[in-house]
Amino acid sequence: EVQLVESGGGLVKPGGSLRLSCAASGFTFSRYSMNWVRQAPGKGLEWVSCISFGSSFIYYADSVKGRFTISRDNAKNSLYLQMNSLRAEDTAVYFCARGDTAVAGTIDYWGQGALVTVSS
Amino acid sequence: DIQMTQSPSSLSASVGDRVTITCRASESISNFLNWYQQKPGKAPKLLIYAAYNLQSGVPSRFSGSGSGTDFTLTISSLQPDDFATYYCQQSYSAPYSFGQGTKLEIK
Repeated sequence: EVQLVESGGGLVKPGGSLRLSCAASGFTFSRYSMNWVRQAPGKGLEWVSCISFGSSFIYYADSVKGRFTISRDNAKNSLYLQMNSLRAEDTAVYFCARGDTAVAGTIDYWGQGALVTVSS
Repeated sequence: DIQMTQSPSSLSASVGDRVTITCRASESISNFLNWYQQKPGKAPKLLIYAAYNLQSGVPSRFSGSGSGTDFTLTISSLQPDDFATYYCQQSYSAPYSFGQGTKLEIK
């Protein structure tokens, strides 16, 4: 069974940093691209970032470019999102999500989400 | 960047109704269009990928169509479990943008 479990969410002050982790199991992690998608309270889905299976290709939404860094450790079956210079508008549930083998942006499995709250 | 626009934003319907949700891309995305269902407090679930392919385990009352810039999601006969929010998403090119969502409510 595919499982994606996020951790590392919490309350952080504006301008602060936070690192999200996602532990993957139930599939060969190193063969899949991975995504982060977020959802602000009461709002729609916003795609954040994608990393290819070998980390060769990395993409970001304009809203986080230069502030967030996606990375992965295939030996540990883990995905990460380093978030710096956080703003109030970054407050959201962050989902770790697996990309389809053929099309990286097609998301076939999602984690349960980690809440990040940016507030003073 | 590609913008995705869904309509309507909300929809009231009854069990047994046929429902159609539309999604328009700001430029051609071929058939790189996905549909997701999300219920409150839960992660989204993939329903349709590549415009018309039903994800494994999804009931056949869901169908998708379209190519280029205009796409539709159809639910042939609404069931109580279908009341949720639906999102389209393009996977043609990063950033892989979502539509704003369509909330399907019980009439």
